[in-house]
Amino acid sequence: QVQLVQSGAEVKKPGASVKVSCKASGYTFTEYYLHWVRQAPGQGLEWMGWFNPNSGGATYAQKFQGWVTMSRDKSINTAYLEVNRLRSGDTAVYYCARDIAVPGTEVDLDVWGQGTMVTVSS
Amino acid sequence: QSVLTQSPSASGTPGQRVTFSCSGSSSNIGSNTVNWYQQFPGTAPKLLINRNNQRPSGVPDRFSGSKSGTSASLAISGLQSEDEGDYYCAAWDDSLNGPVFGGGTKLTVL
Repeated sequence: QVQLVQSGAEVKKPGASVKVSCKASGYTFTEYYLHWVRQAPGQGLEWMGWFNPNSGGATYAQKFQGWVTMSRDKSINTAYLEVNRLRSGDTAVYYCARDIAVPGTEVDLDVWGQGTMVTVSS
Repeated sequence: QSVLTQSPSASGTPGQRVTFSCSGSSSNIGSNTVNWYQQFPGTAPKLLINRNNQRPSGVPDRFSGSKSGTSASLAISGLQSEDEGDYYCAAWDDSLNGPVFGGGTKLTVL
C-alpha cells in the first residue's frame, strides 16, 4: 500500500540542525509532489513548503526561506527536510505528505507520514 | 494566527448533525477548492473531503462538504463517538503560493 515512513524522534540543542527523512513506498516516488507540514504541541498545522521529487525543486513558505532545505535521494525513494539554526519555537511534529494535485490551485494531501517529533531544548 | 478562520470548538451528542465553518478570503477559498482533514490525538491528519465536497475512498457518506464564496462548511451527520477529534480546513492561497490551514475545530461528542 501507499506509505510514507518518517525517521524517528530527535532532540536537538538550540542552534543545531536536524534532518528528517520521509521514505515513500507503494507508488512512483517521482510522480507526486510532497509537502512538509509541522505542528507545534497543542497547535494547528503549519505549511512549510512543497517539493518536486522528480526535479528536486522546492518552494518554501516565506517564513522558512533561508533556513529550511528540502531534498531527495531518488535511488532510495526518500525525501528530506533539513531545518537549521533550531530554536525552542521549532519544537514540533514534522509531517511529510503526498499531494495528488499539482501545486498551483489546489492541494490534496492524501497520504501522510506518521510524523517526526523534533524537540529543541538546551 | 491562521489565515483561515475556524471556531475553536464544537460538540454534539451521538446521532446529531454538527457543522463546522471555515472562513477565508478571495485569495484562498474564494478562488480555490477547499479540503478538510480529520486528526486524532497522536496521529497524522487524514484527508476527509477534497475539492470542496468530494469524499476520498473509504470516507463514510456521513461526512459532507460545501463552499460558498469565501466560506466553506463541513457537516457530520449521525455523529458517532469515534468522530471526536480535530478538524482542519485548508485551501491553496494565490498570494502566498501555498496552502493555508485553519486553526482547527476540536469536536467533542457528549
